[in-house]
Amino acid sequence: GESVGLHLPTLSVQEGDNSIINCAYSNSASDYFIWYKQESGKGPQFIIDIRSNMDKRQGQRVTVLLNKTVKHLSLQIAATQPGDSAVYFCAETYYGGSQGNLIFGKGTKLSVKP
Amino acid sequence: DAGVIQSPRHEVTEMGQEVTLRCKPISGHNSLFWYRQTMMRGLELLIYFNNNVPIDDSGMPEDRFSAKMPNASFSTLKIQPSEPRDSAVYFCASSLEGGTASPLHFGNGTRLTVT
Repeated sequence: GESVGLHLPTLSVQEGDNSIINCAYSNSASDYFIWYKQESGKGPQFIIDIRSNMDKRQGQRVTVLLNKTVKHLSLQIAATQPGDSAVYFCAETYYGGSQGNLIFGKGTKLSVKP
Repeated sequence: DAGVIQSPRHEVTEMGQEVTLRCKPISGHNSLFWYRQTMMRGLELLIYFNNNVPIDDSGMPEDRFSAKMPNASFSTLKIQPSEPRDSAVYFCASSLEGGTASPLHFGNGTRLTVT
């Protein structure tokens, strides 16, 4: 899910299917990770977070998986709906620090086909 | 809850003009953040405040940019003089106490176009 320059990586899924959005983070010292959703014309919105002492965390229709060995994070969305169409960002920092240390990835665009 | 309120939503100006972006954080939040978003560079933190005091302005690109927070309910980001490369979407975000236990709440941004 990292940026390739001017063009955001895009994931296109059928309504009702599950979506998996991937993110490779950069700093091995990061121990706190957040997923944000940004709809067109709006600001990013917090979805779910995970600390490095966990490898999986579930929310409502969303699951975040963390693989510290390969510095990889994924967001799984179950039964994807048209309202899930947005750009999804992962962000990393260290827990207990400031939100000012948050580093955002470049984002992945999710497009849901009806 | 009204959320973070930014104004204007869109701003088009000519190179050399002064631009002022405004932000009203969520009531009760004591940390405020200004971000800039472009396709090339993504979301970049410009500056953040705790209790109206600037904590880290290392992301401010140059002296043409300045930010103030005169009270807990208002902040401005000023660009003077503006340049075409400043064209971007500028977001303001607030959080309850600035630490990782309090997620960021973003406004809907100001889209700035400098011609």
